Amino acid sequence: AQSVAQPEDQVNVAEGNPLTVKCTYSVSGNPYLFWYVQYPNRGLQFLLKYITGDNLVKGSYGFEAEFNKSQTSFHLKKPSALVSDSALYFCAVRDGTGHNFNKFYFGSGTKLNVKP
Amino acid sequence: NAGVTQTPKFQVLKTGQSMTLQCAQDMNHNSMYWYRQDPGMGLRLIYYSASEGTTDKGEVPNGYNVSRLNKREFSLRLESAAPSQTSVYFCASSEYIGTDTQYFGPGTRLTVL
Repeated sequence: AQSVAQPEDQVNVAEGNPLTVKCTYSVSGNPYLFWYVQYPNRGLQFLLKYITGDNLVKGSYGFEAEFNKSQTSFHLKKPSALVSDSALYFCAVRDGTGHNFNKFYFGSGTKLNVKP
Repeated sequence: NAGVTQTPKFQVLKTGQSMTLQCAQDMNHNSMYWYRQDPGMGLRLIYYSASEGTTDKGEVPNGYNVSRLNKREFSLRLESAAPSQTSVYFCASSEYIGTDTQYFGPGTRLTVL
């Protein structure tokens, strides 16, 4: 079965420090992986995606993520956190092959708190 | 260019009432989706429409129906609302259902008493 796990409900980091938001996935075929961010009372906004190619993907607002096939992970990272990065982050996966080809699966979300 | 719009923004229903959530996109996207967001559970796909004229069930379709009225519009109907359907509902669209980014509407907060 397809699934996405975000093991941390909340991540706290000081402004200027590096941040990591973790995501692991399970699909039967090739994974297509996405990160979205949600600010309070807003819809989700796309940050970045991995479809194929270079395992390190760079996205919006200085975020990047690394696809690790052996560990089935797609962790979101940023070298230097900003207070304005505080939001809810969702990892999502789509199975690139097989019966569930057209369905997206989202993780439960990780709340990122960046303190001044 | 408004992107994805949803109406209404808020709604309170009594158990057993029906209602339709409206969604429209002006990006000429082929694929559209309905999700519900519940605390601690992320987003779950209710129904999707890969292209105009087609609809398919997602992860949690029970209690809902959808209509892809035309390329722009994709509505979600609750025929007999239940308290378990209290949630925030998001509509999204993408150019194609494949590898494309989804663009989300602002959401509808629904409470069923």
